Amino acid sequence: NAGVMQNPRHLVRRRGQEARLRCSPMKGHSHVYWYRQLPEEGLKFMVYLQKENIIDESGMPKERFSAEFPKEGPSILRIQQVVRGDSAAYFCASSPGSYQETQYFGPGTRLLVL
Amino acid sequence: DQQVKQNSPSLSVQEGRISILNCDYTNSMFDYFLWYKKYPAEGPTFLISISSIKDKNEDGRFTVFLNKSAKHLSLHIVPSQPGDSAVYFCAASRTRDDKIIFGKGTRLHILP
Repeated sequence: NAGVMQNPRHLVRRRGQEARLRCSPMKGHSHVYWYRQLPEEGLKFMVYLQKENIIDESGMPKERFSAEFPKEGPSILRIQQVVRGDSAAYFCASSPGSYQETQYFGPGTRLLVL
Repeated sequence: DQQVKQNSPSLSVQEGRISILNCDYTNSMFDYFLWYKKYPAEGPTFLISISSIKDKNEDGRFTVFLNKSAKHLSLHIVPSQPGDSAVYFCAASRTRDDKIIFGKGTRLHILP
């Protein structure tokens, strides 16, 4: 039973480009969460999605960031017109339900903006 | 404004001894607390949790203590093993279904 998959593991973008981060949840999991970890910081909640629905996006920056979890395929976190401050590790977690301890985290995508 | 604080960035403990990791929180609405462990280049792994109706929860070598009046919790690992060397994150939420707020983490080094 494969765990949560994230790709790419490392992503380098120049300022102004777009970054697309993908997350494939564990089999049977319909809840996906995205977190961002800035250097020397803890993980910060960004968004919580169920299939085709955004449940809580209170942690998402108002501009340039969007997330989706389509009926088929992985969840996508999209960052438009990246800036240096977007450089961080982005973690995805999935769960079969909404209880916190059942969240399983992926290995993360390290985004570097040059 | 940091709602979950881990004031020790790092901690070194001799193998076999007890490791105690501390965490303070400021939001009195938090009702549910979790500890995660993270190795380099991996995502966090859930370790143990406690709800505010309890003051202690134990799972094998790991015990979490909660002092609500002091808004303080701690994770005890005994005996400490080399594989326990990792970053430990304290986290809290208002309910089991609410978003998790993480602390900055404490890096634990287990010395041989």
